Amino acid sequence: ETAVFQTPNYHVTQVGNEVSFNCKQTLGHDTMYWYKQDSKKLLKIMFSYNNKQLIVNETVPRRFSPQSSDKAHLNLRIKSVEPEDSAVYLCASSPGSQNTLYFGAGTRLSVL
Amino acid sequence: GEQVEQLPSILRVQERSSASINCTYENSASNYFPWYKQEPGENPKLIIDIRSNMERKQIQGLIVLLDKKAKRFSLHITDTQPADSAMYFCAAEDSGTYQRFGTGTKLQVVP
Repeated sequence: ETAVFQTPNYHVTQVGNEVSFNCKQTLGHDTMYWYKQDSKKLLKIMFSYNNKQLIVNETVPRRFSPQSSDKAHLNLRIKSVEPEDSAVYLCASSPGSQNTLYFGAGTRLSVL
Repeated sequence: GEQVEQLPSILRVQERSSASINCTYENSASNYFPWYKQEPGENPKLIIDIRSNMERKQIQGLIVLLDKKAKRFSLHITDTQPADSAMYFCAAEDSGTYQRFGTGTKLQVVP
């Protein structure tokens, strides 16, 4: 049963454009995350939000920024995309630390 | 950042045999170790996890072992079936931070 919803599923854009990805969870969880999965399937943490506060910010490029209106939503904005940003972006939520991550279906970004 | 190493990257086994995947971590403060299965075109899903107060956990045909001294943990799938073919990821979490993932293992179970 899907409880972490991501839009869009796919996005194709050109270098230098701005993109935004949305994520909503209906599980009532306190913490949400963005992970990047590259073509080799490597999963890297990008951001973690707990009750609207950024608690972890891995060293991602400044063109990436998370945006949260409430604990159920965590969006990701990329100001000026680069070719190396092509990847699948996975949103996840969890009830708290030391707990299962529930992933969304992902947004596949292709930068031409 | 601190690494979680995972081996092997590709594992091919005969149906009904066992498959083992090993992970090592660097941070001795890590205290939660989940395993996720990702099927093609799907998102990762938790299959089993273990906390630092345990050394062994089994759920049906899945066994996880944790050796805190060696900073090593492993997943063992007994009696593999073709449906077990997928990517498997280990992860390690320090309390209050986030889960760092291993590099993944592509498991192929052949008839």
